[in-house]
Amino acid sequence: AQSVTQPDIHITVSEGASLELRCNYSYGATPYLFWYVQSPGQGLQLLLKYFSGDTLVQGIKGFEAEFKRSQSSFNLRKPSVHWSDAAEYFCAVYNQGGKLIFGQGTELSVKP
Amino acid sequence: EAQVTQNPRYLITVTGKKLTVTCSQNMNHEYMSWYRQDPGLGLRQIYYSMNVEVTDKGDVPEGYKVSRKEKRNFPLILESPSPNQTSLYFCASSLNGVLTGNTIYFGEGSWLTVV
Repeated sequence: AQSVTQPDIHITVSEGASLELRCNYSYGATPYLFWYVQSPGQGLQLLLKYFSGDTLVQGIKGFEAEFKRSQSSFNLRKPSVHWSDAAEYFCAVYNQGGKLIFGQGTELSVKP
Repeated sequence: EAQVTQNPRYLITVTGKKLTVTCSQNMNHEYMSWYRQDPGLGLRQIYYSMNVEVTDKGDVPEGYKVSRKEKRNFPLILESPSPNQTSLYFCASSLNGVLTGNTIYFGEGSWLTVV
């Protein structure tokens, strides 16, 4: 069965430090992968997506993610975190049957 | 402006009192879906619809109904709500759920509390 795992429930980083949020997926075919961000009290905003081609994907707000098929991973990165990045981040995989499967989410806190 | 609109945004109701959460999109999307979000569980799909009059169960359909009589609307119906349906609900839409590559748009969420 398809699944998405985000191993880190909560991460705290200092402002200006680099960030990496982990995402592992289980999917038989070529996955279509997404990262979404949810700010407190808000809906979900798409950060970036991977469908094919270049395995390093650039997104909004300075985020990027790298698809590694051999590791079944799609980790999200940002070189320098800002206080406004504090939010919950969701990785998701989409199959052609119409289902979008989300990970459990990683809550990011940013220390001043 | 492209939008997915949910109503109500916040609701407290009592066990057993039927309620409907409406969802409307203005992008002529074929695909629409409902999710619930619970702490530690992420978002789980309740129902989805590939097109008008076509609906399918997601991962957690028990206790919910949906209908898709017209393309723009996809209401979520709780016939007899129970406290375990207290959750944050999201509606989503995309151009075509079968053709991958389409951006999925989410509504702002509906906080539902069943007491």
